[in-house]
Amino acid sequence: GQSLEQPSEVTAVEGAIVQINCTYQTSGFYGLSWYQQHDGGAPTFLSYNALDGLEETGRFSSFLSRSDSYGYLLLQELQMKDSASYFCAVREDYGGATNKLIFGTGTLLAVQP
Amino acid sequence: DTGVSQDPRHKITKRGQNVTFRCDPISEHNRLYWYRQTLGQGPEFLTYFQNEAQLEKSRLLSDRFSAERPKGSFSTLEIQRTEQGDSAMYLCASSFQGAQGNTIYFGEGSWLTVV
Repeated sequence: GQSLEQPSEVTAVEGAIVQINCTYQTSGFYGLSWYQQHDGGAPTFLSYNALDGLEETGRFSSFLSRSDSYGYLLLQELQMKDSASYFCAVREDYGGATNKLIFGTGTLLAVQP
Repeated sequence: DTGVSQDPRHKITKRGQNVTFRCDPISEHNRLYWYRQTLGQGPEFLTYFQNEAQLEKSRLLSDRFSAERPKGSFSTLEIQRTEQGDSAMYLCASSFQGAQGNTIYFGEGSWLTVV
């Protein structure tokens, strides 16, 4: 079956660093993506890893280890506006016939002053 | 580029009625997706179009659900004989074939409440 595991909630203070982990078990794997969703809003793309290692985009970084079926999103210099839900998502590639992303259940990040 | 737009944003309907949602993807995107999201959960895949062809449907998509993309541009999602369990946010997303990482762009969603 397909499953993506994330912690349900994380709390941190402004200026801190927080790591949100994601472990996945899917039939195929073609990359791990991260999306942010504010309450009532649309999920917005943050980051993508196809290969092992760290990808950095400003305050956000994402890491992938395919051998461990594991990745994480690292948020630095936390700001109040970072309070949102964060989802990891896997693309299962069956030779291009399917193109969907499978999403985890999400991690609710609360940034406190 | 005005992003993915969805209409209506909110819909309250009585059980048993039919509802239809419309999605206008980003203009140059040839791939279009429908997802459903309930509170505290991640988006769940419903169906996927490449141009006008519906290439995949989830088992979540019962016979009461139908989606179309007649000219490969906008799409509609119709739910017939709505049930209370259909209450959710219906998200449309689009992407461009060949985009790195299959980055998909979501609309703001259409909230459905079945009473």
